[in-house]
Amino acid sequence: QVQLVESGGGVVQPGRSLRLSCAASGFTFSNYGMHWVRQAPGKGLEWVAVTWQDGHNKYYADSVKGRFTISKDNSKNTLYLQMSSLRAEDTAVYYCARDLGLNYQVLSILDFWGQGILVTVSS
Amino acid sequence: EIVMTQSPATLSMSPGERATLSCRASQSVSSNLAWYQQKPGQAPRLLIYGASTRATDIPARFSGSGSGTEFTLTISSLQSEDFAVYYCQQYNNWPPVTFGQGTKLEIK
Repeated sequence: QVQLVESGGGVVQPGRSLRLSCAASGFTFSNYGMHWVRQAPGKGLEWVAVTWQDGHNKYYADSVKGRFTISKDNSKNTLYLQMSSLRAEDTAVYYCARDLGLNYQVLSILDFWGQGILVTVSS
Repeated sequence: EIVMTQSPATLSMSPGERATLSCRASQSVSSNLAWYQQKPGQAPRLLIYGASTRATDIPARFSGSGSGTEFTLTISSLQSEDFAVYYCQQYNNWPPVTFGQGTKLEIK
């Protein structure tokens, strides 16, 4: 069965960096685009970034552009989110999610989600 | 950026009743609309995409309708496990992908 397991979260000071990982199993990782979505405490869902199946094409939300980098290592079945210059408003649960699209299509329909990992930005 | 607006913010219903949740887009998204369910402490789950296509293993009591700017998620007969927060999401014009603010479906 499809499994997505995030790791790497924790408490970090403002201005510092953190890298999240999402280990995928139960499907052919290289065939799928992948997303990061976050949810601030008690708030709704905010899309963060997407990468295409081969990891070459990437898009970001304006709120993280220039500070966050999404990447995909198909040899390790792992998705990453490198976060730098972190701010208090980046505090959230971060979810990785699989895109429904196949054959180099990215539809932005998120059909499987990890359980999420909490990132807290605080001094 | 397309803004998604859900109503009501909270819906109080009893098990067995029919629930109707609404989602409006600030401009047409055609039928490129998805619905997700999120229970406390859990990840969201895809329910509906293409405005009306149920995702894998989603019960038939969940149905979606609409196109353009007005969409509806209907739960025909509420079960105890259906009380949760529901989000709509457009994927017609992206980036960015945008979500509504959510409707909390609570037990009356």
